[in-house]
Amino acid sequence: SQQGEEDPQALSIQEGENATMNCSYKTSINNLQWYRQNSGRGLVHLILIRSNEREKHSGRLRVTLDTSKKSSSLLITASRAADTASYFCATVRGSNYKLTFGKGTLLTVNP
Amino acid sequence: GAVVSQHPSWVICKSGTSVKIECRSLDFQATTMFWYRQFPKQSLMLMATSNEGSKATYEQGVEKDKFLINHASLTLSTLTVTSAHPEDSSFYICSARETAENIQYFGAGTRLSVL
Repeated sequence: SQQGEEDPQALSIQEGENATMNCSYKTSINNLQWYRQNSGRGLVHLILIRSNEREKHSGRLRVTLDTSKKSSSLLITASRAADTASYFCATVRGSNYKLTFGKGTLLTVNP
Repeated sequence: GAVVSQHPSWVICKSGTSVKIECRSLDFQATTMFWYRQFPKQSLMLMATSNEGSKATYEQGVEKDKFLINHASLTLSTLTVTSAHPEDSSFYICSARETAENIQYFGAGTRLSVL
């Protein structure tokens, strides 16, 4: 079953603007990861945040994790047309390393 | 990051035939690989966990005899869709777990169309 639920399902912004996507989950987790998928392609790992971390940065990406609310957010700053893709959060529970994916947010960055 | 190669990227076959998809980790050893299925505009659904040297672990509702998984080496896992039918048409994606980082690296996916 899908644990993660992203919102919004779709987001359309102009180049240069910031994009924020949210993810909620239902059970306790070991870590949460964000992936990007270009249309018809595989997934690219963006960032991993552990359950004892609250915020992580990587380039133009900023991820937060609130375990009390069971939610995470992905912020992409100064977006570019090349950021157009679907973004998925995925949670890992326990030690089985399995990823449970959310439904994803389709981000469109208009030039 | 690590590279995972998935082949073929696209396959069209006749109903009743079997199709093999390969997933290779190119620059790291992967004791664990995963196979996912993705329907259009939907998320990834985990089908099975492939463990090197042992039997794969299938998710509930996934037919073992339909989707045969072999993980014969630390760098190769294969998924065989046996006696494929049109309802098996989908996008299949593999991933390999890089142990040190505990990150899954994904192949580019295989689009299967069964006529």
